[in-house]
Amino acid sequence: AQSVSQHNHHVILSEAASLELGCNYSYGGTVNLFWYVQYPGQHLQLLLKYFSGDPLVKGIKGFEAEFIKSKFSFNLRKPSVQWSDTAEYFCAVILYTGFQKLVFGTGTRLLVSP
Amino acid sequence: DGGITQSPKYLFRKEGQNVTLSCEQNLNHDAMYWYRQDPGQGLRLIYYSQIVNDFQKGDIAEGYSVSREKKESFPLTVTSAQKNPTAFYLCASSSQGPGEAFFGQGTRLTVV
Repeated sequence: AQSVSQHNHHVILSEAASLELGCNYSYGGTVNLFWYVQYPGQHLQLLLKYFSGDPLVKGIKGFEAEFIKSKFSFNLRKPSVQWSDTAEYFCAVILYTGFQKLVFGTGTRLLVSP
Repeated sequence: DGGITQSPKYLFRKEGQNVTLSCEQNLNHDAMYWYRQDPGQGLRLIYYSQIVNDFQKGDIAEGYSVSREKKESFPLTVTSAQKNPTAFYLCASSSQGPGEAFFGQGTRLTVV
């Protein structure tokens, strides 16, 4: 079955620490990849997306992600986190299986302490 | 303003009753999705639809039903067959092909 795996369920960092959140998917066909963020009490919003081209994509708020096709991975990174990055982060994949299916990972809760 | 509207924000129902959650979008998107969000389980796909009058079961469709009679609307019915219906439900839409999904504010359903 197609799935999206996020390795870390909870991450606690101090401000200015570097962040890397893992995301792997299991599907051999065409995919589009996303990272969404959900701040406390707010809607899900898009951080960044990969459709094609340069596998290193930059998003909002200093986030970036790298698509490594051979590893089926799309890890999210930020060199220096801030307290305001405290949120839940979701990796998502559009699978083209004849239908357009958008599948999410289980999410990673990030807590950044001041 | 363009966007997705889910209503109501909070919904209470007695066990054994069917309940329908509304999702409307004015983004002219073809694809629409319903998810259930539970703590520690992320967003799990219930149903999705690419075009009017067509929809597919997601990963946890049992106990739910949908319709897509209009492009703008994708209501979700939580039936009495759903064993654990209390949850936060999110609706989303996107254009065909590569494109980000936009989300509604969600409906928190509590069954007592």
